[in-house]
Amino acid sequence: EVQLVESGGALAQPGGSLRLSCAASGFTFSSYSMSWVRQAPGKGLEWVANIMEDGNRKYYVDSLEGRFTVSRDNAKNSLYLQMNGLRAEDTAVYYCVRDPDCTRGVCFDYWGQGTLVTVSS
Amino acid sequence: QTVVTQEPSLTVSPGGTVTLTCASSTGAVTSGYYANWFQKKPGQAPRALIYNTDNKHSWTPARFSGSLLGGKAALTLSGVQPEDEAEYYCLLFYGGAWVFGGGTKLTVL
Repeated sequence: EVQLVESGGALAQPGGSLRLSCAASGFTFSSYSMSWVRQAPGKGLEWVANIMEDGNRKYYVDSLEGRFTVSRDNAKNSLYLQMNGLRAEDTAVYYCVRDPDCTRGVCFDYWGQGTLVTVSS
Repeated sequence: QTVVTQEPSLTVSPGGTVTLTCASSTGAVTSGYYANWFQKKPGQAPRALIYNTDNKHSWTPARFSGSLLGGKAALTLSGVQPEDEAEYYCLLFYGGAWVFGGGTKLTVL
């Protein structure tokens, strides 16, 4: 059974940093691209970042302005999101998502339950 | 900035049929945008329904179908059930960027 379990969400100060983690199990993690998707309170889903299977290619939504970094450790079956320069608008539930192959149309088939990040003073 | 547009809300009667659409600010949606559809209920993680325009996942109920319709991606629910009340999001792929629509709140009444 595919499982994605996020952790690391917390209350953070504006300008602060957080690191989200996602523990994956039930599939060959190193064979899949992975993404982070977020949902702000009362808002829709927003794709945040993607990292390819080997970790060498990464993609980000333009609005992040270089503040977030996605990474992975295939030996530990883990995905990470380093969030720096946090802003109030980064407040959201962050989902870890498996991406089988969006370049062939199969995007985001399994989702974690999400971890809440709140940015407030 | 690319914008993906969905109907904000729709209402359907139980047993009825409803079509949700997904438009791109860049022009007509084609198969090359690999439209995906997701269902989101409050307090739950999103669930994937449709991939690559018109393909169902193994867990997707038969009453859900995807298509291209009039230059848009479309999700049709036939024989709507009360449990289909949810928000539905489309996702379009722009080659290195993934953009969700704003979501359609579907009410079953």
